[in-house]
Amino acid sequence: KQEVTQIPAALSVPEGENLVLNCSFTDSAIYNLQWFRQDPGKGLTSLLLIQSSQREQTSGRLNASLDKSSGRSTLYIAASQPGDSATYLCAAGGANNLFFGTGTRLTVIP
Amino acid sequence: DTEVTQTPKHLVMGMTNKKSLKCEQHMGHRAMYWYKQKAKKPPELMFVYSYEKLSINESVPSRFSPECPNSSLLNLHLHALQPEDSALYLCASSQDLARAFFGQGTRLTVV
Repeated sequence: KQEVTQIPAALSVPEGENLVLNCSFTDSAIYNLQWFRQDPGKGLTSLLLIQSSQREQTSGRLNASLDKSSGRSTLYIAASQPGDSATYLCAAGGANNLFFGTGTRLTVIP
Repeated sequence: DTEVTQTPKHLVMGMTNKKSLKCEQHMGHRAMYWYKQKAKKPPELMFVYSYEKLSINESVPSRFSPECPNSSLLNLHLHALQPEDSALYLCASSQDLARAFFGQGTRLTVV
């Protein structure tokens, strides 16, 4: 069964810093890799989707990369802002399921 | 419209009650999902509907009963729940292997 791990579990940074969140998965036979943001008690907001044939995707200050062979993905956030504070979840896409990581709780300090 | 709408947002029910959670999307997605999320844990898959047919049931207890009346609607019928079933219930939809869209969830408390 696919297992997805995210490191670190929590991260606190001052505003303006660039940061990297890490995601690793055990089964490289994935269809895609998605990154989500979740605010406390809320649903998930889709940030970026990388198809298995792609290496990276960018949206604004966010850049996600995918290395299927090593079972890793990273989410790079540039010039962090207090509004970026949330839990970030990666999910490895199977045929009809998403296998979620344990999440990284990010706090950006003004 | 890239929204998945879930109702109600909050629900408190007794262990003998029957209630339903509703989910709606108008993106033409043919796959719809129910996930359960406990506090500080990742979402866990419960059910998958593909083209209005149940394709995955992740060994969910029968006190949870899903229903897909049409391609835009997904219901989760609840009966005789236990306090440990209290959680955030999330609905999602996707088309093929594209991006999944999630609703804001229903916060369920069983008393």
